[in-house]
Amino acid sequence: GEDVEQSLFLSVREGDSSVINCTYTDSSSTYLYWYKQEPGAGLQLLTYIFSNMDMKQDQRLTVLLNKKDKHLSLRIADTQTGDSAIYFCAEAGNYGGSQGNLIFGKGTKLSVKP
Amino acid sequence: DVKVTQSSRYLVKRTGEKVFLECVQDMDHENMFWYRQDPGLGLRLIYFSYDVKMKEKGDIPEGYSVSREKKERFSLILESASTNQTSMYLCASSPSPVGGEQYFGPGTRLTVT
Repeated sequence: GEDVEQSLFLSVREGDSSVINCTYTDSSSTYLYWYKQEPGAGLQLLTYIFSNMDMKQDQRLTVLLNKKDKHLSLRIADTQTGDSAIYFCAEAGNYGGSQGNLIFGKGTKLSVKP
Repeated sequence: DVKVTQSSRYLVKRTGEKVFLECVQDMDHENMFWYRQDPGLGLRLIYFSYDVKMKEKGDIPEGYSVSREKKERFSLILESASTNQTSMYLCASSPSPVGGEQYFGPGTRLTVT
């Protein structure tokens, strides 16, 4: 079956780097995603990586993909208090044969201390 | 920008009431989804639809139904609301068939008393 695992909490100091980790089980996933959810809001797509890539960088965000270990990570450089949120990892699923479905992890709550 | 809107941000209903949650997207996306989000459980898929008048059950469809009469609108119906349906409900849409990225609405926090 398909399952996405994340640690539930991460606490860092402002200015440090944050690394949020995720493992997935479906080796056929073509896309892997990171979403951010601020308190009381919906999910915002942060970035995604195609499965034939090892790394993707977008300003302060770096996504690393290790396909062999089915491990995905999101690094946030120079973490700010505004980065405090829940971060979800997701893989493209194949629910009932229909494309477009995503399998989400339970989310990692990032707390940034000033 | 893709915009997904949900009819209410907060809703309070009584046990046994029929509840309608509406979701509208403006990007002509084929796929639309309804999730509920609960602490410690993450997002759980209730139903999704990949075309008008088409629907598929997700992980937790019991107690819910859906309607997709128009491409841009996907409604979630609680036939007889119960207290265990108190939750945050999130709607999403995505283009088809490749990519898979989903765009989310702001969510509806439903309380059933």
